[in-house]
Amino acid sequence: NAGVMQNPRHLVRRRGQEARLRCSPMKGHSHVYWYRQLPEEGLKFMVYLQKENIIDESGMPKERFSAEFPKEGPSILRIQQVVRGDSAAYFCASSPTSGGRSPPDTQYFGPGTRLTVL
Amino acid sequence: AQSVTQPDIHITVSEGASLELRCNYSYGATPYLFWYVQSPGQGLQLLLKYFSGDTLVQGIKGFEAEFKRSQSSFNLRKPSVHWSDAAEYFCAENSGGSNYKLTFGKGTLLTVNP
Repeated sequence: NAGVMQNPRHLVRRRGQEARLRCSPMKGHSHVYWYRQLPEEGLKFMVYLQKENIIDESGMPKERFSAEFPKEGPSILRIQQVVRGDSAAYFCASSPTSGGRSPPDTQYFGPGTRLTVL
Repeated sequence: AQSVTQPDIHITVSEGASLELRCNYSYGATPYLFWYVQSPGQGLQLLLKYFSGDTLVQGIKGFEAEFKRSQSSFNLRKPSVHWSDAAEYFCAENSGGSNYKLTFGKGTLLTVNP
Protein backbone atom coordinates (compact mmCIF):
# COMPACT_ATOMS: atom_id res chain seq x y z
CA ASN A 1 0.00 0.00 0.00
CA ALA A 2 1.72 3.12 -1.21
CA GLY A 3 1.99 5.93 1.27
CA VAL A 4 1.43 9.61 0.71
CA MET A 5 3.38 10.72 -2.33
CA GLN A 6 4.72 14.17 -2.96
CA ASN A 7 6.53 15.57 -5.93
CA PRO A 8 8.85 17.01 -6.67
CA ARG A 9 11.00 16.19 -3.66
CA HIS A 10 13.18 19.21 -4.30
CA LEU A 11 12.21 22.35 -6.16
CA VAL A 12 14.36 25.36 -6.93
CA ARG A 13 12.77 28.58 -8.09
CA ARG A 14 13.97 32.12 -8.66
CA ARG A 15 12.21 35.01 -7.04
CA GLY A 16 9.02 35.87 -8.89
CA GLN A 17 8.45 32.43 -10.38
CA GLU A 18 5.63 30.07 -9.55
CA ALA A 19 5.96 26.88 -7.52
CA ARG A 20 3.54 23.96 -7.83
CA LEU A 21 3.70 21.21 -5.25
CA ARG A 22 1.78 17.99 -5.70
CA CYS A 23 0.42 15.53 -3.20
CA SER A 24 -1.24 12.18 -3.82
CA PRO A 25 -2.91 10.88 -0.67
CA MET A 26 -2.86 7.29 0.46
CA LYS A 27 -5.26 5.02 -1.34
CA GLY A 28 -8.71 5.36 0.12
CA HIS A 29 -7.96 8.70 1.78
CA SER A 30 -10.02 11.68 0.70
CA HIS A 31 -8.78 14.26 3.21
CA VAL A 32 -5.58 16.19 2.67
CA TYR A 33 -3.68 18.59 4.89
CA TRP A 34 -0.72 20.81 4.02
CA TYR A 35 1.90 21.91 6.54
CA ARG A 36 4.95 24.12 6.19
CA GLN A 37 8.21 23.64 8.05
CA LEU A 38 10.42 26.68 8.16
CA PRO A 39 14.09 26.21 9.11
CA GLU A 40 14.48 25.24 12.78
CA GLU A 41 10.74 25.37 13.30
CA GLY A 42 8.05 22.81 13.80
CA LEU A 43 5.44 22.13 11.18
CA LYS A 44 2.63 24.64 10.92
CA PHE A 45 -0.81 23.90 9.55
CA MET A 46 -1.70 25.63 6.30
CA VAL A 47 -4.85 24.16 4.82
CA TYR A 48 -7.29 21.24 5.01
CA LEU A 49 -9.03 20.03 1.88
CA GLN A 50 -11.49 17.39 0.89
CA LYS A 51 -12.21 16.47 -2.70
CA GLU A 52 -13.26 19.67 -4.47
CA ASN A 53 -13.61 21.56 -1.18
CA ILE A 54 -11.40 23.76 0.93
CA ILE A 55 -12.47 23.11 4.50
CA ASP A 56 -10.04 25.32 6.40
CA GLU A 57 -7.38 27.60 4.94
CA SER A 58 -6.78 29.61 8.08
CA GLY A 59 -3.05 28.84 8.03
CA MET A 60 -2.47 29.97 4.47
CA PRO A 61 -0.78 33.30 3.83
CA LYS A 62 -3.38 35.73 2.51
CA GLU A 63 -1.62 36.37 -0.78
CA ARG A 64 0.16 34.29 -3.41
CA PHE A 65 -0.76 30.91 -1.88
CA SER A 66 -3.59 28.69 -3.03
CA ALA A 67 -4.52 25.04 -2.76
CA GLU A 68 -6.87 22.70 -4.51
CA PHE A 69 -7.87 19.05 -4.40
CA PRO A 70 -9.76 18.24 -7.58
CA LYS A 71 -12.11 15.32 -8.08
CA GLU A 72 -9.44 13.59 -10.10
CA GLY A 73 -5.71 13.88 -9.57
CA PRO A 74 -3.45 15.07 -6.79
CA SER A 75 -3.82 17.97 -4.45
CA ILE A 76 -1.85 21.02 -5.58
CA LEU A 77 -0.29 23.72 -3.43
CA ARG A 78 0.51 26.70 -5.61
CA ILE A 79 2.76 29.58 -4.67
CA GLN A 80 2.83 32.51 -7.04
CA GLN A 81 5.66 35.03 -7.30
CA VAL A 82 7.83 33.21 -4.80
CA VAL A 83 10.06 35.12 -2.40
CA ARG A 84 13.07 33.94 -0.40
CA GLY A 85 10.91 33.65 2.71
CA ASP A 86 8.91 30.89 1.01
CA SER A 87 11.93 28.59 1.20
CA ALA A 88 10.81 25.74 3.42
CA ALA A 89 9.78 22.11 3.47
CA TYR A 90 6.15 21.59 2.58
CA PHE A 91 4.52 18.45 3.87
CA CYS A 92 1.27 16.89 2.86
CA ALA A 93 -0.69 14.51 5.06
CA SER A 94 -3.83 12.50 4.45
CA SER A 95 -6.45 10.75 6.52
CA PRO A 96 -9.20 8.33 5.59
CA THR A 97 -12.20 10.07 7.07
CA SER A 98 -13.39 13.43 8.25
CA GLY A 99 -10.74 15.51 9.91
CA GLY A 100 -13.24 16.72 12.46
CA ARG A 101 -13.72 13.39 14.17
CA SER A 102 -13.16 13.02 17.87
CA PRO A 103 -10.74 11.45 18.50
CA PRO A 104 -9.15 12.52 15.24
CA ASP A 105 -7.95 10.22 12.53
CA THR A 106 -4.24 9.72 12.30
CA GLN A 107 -2.62 11.87 9.66
CA TYR A 108 -0.09 10.08 7.47
CA PHE A 109 2.66 12.28 6.11
CA GLY A 110 4.47 12.31 2.82
CA PRO A 111 8.23 12.85 2.40
CA GLY A 112 7.80 16.56 1.75
CA THR A 113 8.88 18.97 -0.96
CA ARG A 114 11.86 21.14 -0.14
CA LEU A 115 11.46 24.47 -1.89
CA THR A 116 14.47 26.70 -2.33
CA VAL A 117 13.99 30.21 -3.65
CA LEU A 118 17.09 31.82 -5.09
CA ALA B 1 -3.65 29.59 21.26
CA GLN B 2 -2.50 26.05 21.70
CA SER B 3 1.23 25.50 21.93
CA VAL B 4 3.58 22.59 22.30
CA THR B 5 6.97 23.04 23.92
CA GLN B 6 9.94 20.79 23.47
CA PRO B 7 12.55 22.27 25.83
CA ASP B 8 15.51 20.39 24.41
CA ILE B 9 16.65 21.43 20.95
CA HIS B 10 19.42 18.84 20.74
CA ILE B 11 20.17 15.75 22.80
CA THR B 12 23.15 13.43 22.50
CA VAL B 13 23.15 9.95 24.01
CA SER B 14 25.36 6.93 23.69
CA GLU B 15 24.08 3.82 22.00
CA GLY B 16 22.47 1.55 24.55
CA ALA B 17 21.69 4.36 26.95
CA SER B 18 18.16 5.29 27.96
CA LEU B 19 16.37 8.25 26.42
CA GLU B 20 13.72 10.69 27.51
CA LEU B 21 12.49 13.51 25.29
CA ARG B 22 10.36 16.13 26.95
CA CYS B 23 7.12 17.62 25.69
CA ASN B 24 4.70 20.03 27.34
CA TYR B 25 1.32 20.96 25.90
CA SER B 26 -0.89 23.89 26.69
CA TYR B 27 -4.43 22.74 25.99
CA GLY B 28 -6.40 22.47 29.22
CA ALA B 29 -9.04 19.93 28.30
CA THR B 30 -8.37 16.41 27.05
CA PRO B 31 -5.66 16.73 24.46
CA TYR B 32 -4.89 14.33 21.70
CA LEU B 33 -1.13 13.88 21.71
CA PHE B 34 1.32 12.45 19.21
CA TRP B 35 4.99 11.78 18.75
CA TYR B 36 6.40 11.75 15.22
CA VAL B 37 9.94 11.00 14.06
CA GLN B 38 11.59 12.57 11.03
CA SER B 39 14.71 10.98 9.62
CA PRO B 40 16.95 13.14 7.44
CA GLY B 41 15.26 13.94 4.15
CA GLN B 42 12.23 11.89 5.07
CA GLY B 43 8.66 12.60 6.00
CA LEU B 44 7.18 12.20 9.44
CA GLN B 45 6.42 8.78 10.81
CA LEU B 46 3.98 8.33 13.66
CA LEU B 47 5.60 6.70 16.70
CA LEU B 48 2.62 6.69 19.04
CA LYS B 49 -0.48 8.59 20.07
CA TYR B 50 -2.56 9.21 23.16
CA PHE B 51 -6.28 9.84 23.08
CA SER B 52 -7.57 8.54 26.41
CA GLY B 53 -7.33 5.64 28.83
CA ASP B 54 -4.06 4.19 30.01
CA THR B 55 -1.62 7.05 30.43
CA LEU B 56 1.34 4.94 29.36
CA VAL B 57 1.21 4.26 25.64
CA GLN B 58 3.39 1.95 23.64
CA GLY B 59 4.55 2.76 20.15
CA ILE B 60 6.67 1.39 17.39
CA LYS B 61 10.43 0.82 17.53
CA GLY B 62 10.37 0.25 21.28
CA PHE B 63 9.22 3.76 22.20
CA GLU B 64 6.71 4.61 24.88
CA ALA B 65 5.27 7.85 26.24
CA GLU B 66 3.53 8.79 29.44
CA PHE B 67 0.72 11.33 29.67
CA LYS B 68 0.78 13.34 32.90
CA ARG B 69 -2.09 15.78 33.13
CA SER B 70 -0.80 17.35 36.36
CA GLN B 71 2.41 18.34 34.57
CA SER B 72 0.89 18.95 31.14
CA SER B 73 3.54 16.61 29.81
CA PHE B 74 3.81 13.79 27.32
CA ASN B 75 7.41 12.65 27.47
CA LEU B 76 8.82 10.07 25.08
CA ARG B 77 11.07 7.32 26.41
CA LYS B 78 13.14 4.42 25.21
CA PRO B 79 15.11 2.16 27.53
CA SER B 80 17.98 1.46 25.14
CA VAL B 81 18.76 3.66 22.15
CA HIS B 82 20.01 2.27 18.85
CA TRP B 83 22.15 4.19 16.35
CA SER B 84 19.24 4.08 13.91
CA ASP B 85 17.16 6.18 16.31
CA ALA B 86 19.17 9.26 15.38
CA ALA B 87 16.57 11.63 13.93
CA GLU B 88 14.43 14.61 14.80
CA TYR B 89 11.47 14.01 17.07
CA PHE B 90 8.33 16.10 17.08
CA CYS B 91 5.63 16.22 19.69
CA ALA B 92 2.22 17.37 18.48
CA GLU B 93 -1.25 17.92 19.80
CA ASN B 94 -4.58 17.98 18.08
CA SER B 95 -7.29 19.45 20.19
CA GLY B 96 -9.96 22.02 20.57
CA GLY B 97 -12.61 22.68 18.01
CA SER B 98 -10.44 21.87 15.02
CA ASN B 99 -9.42 18.30 15.53
CA TYR B 100 -7.58 18.18 12.26
CA LYS B 101 -5.04 20.87 13.08
CA LEU B 102 -1.88 19.38 14.45
CA THR B 103 0.16 21.83 16.51
CA PHE B 104 3.80 20.81 16.55
CA GLY B 105 6.68 21.56 18.85
CA LYS B 106 9.92 22.78 17.32
CA GLY B 107 11.46 19.35 17.56
CA THR B 108 14.35 17.69 19.38
CA LEU B 109 17.30 16.50 17.35
CA LEU B 110 18.70 13.25 18.70
CA THR B 111 22.33 12.30 18.08
CA VAL B 112 23.47 8.81 19.01
CA ASN B 113 27.15 8.23 19.74
CA PRO B 114 28.60 4.77 19.11
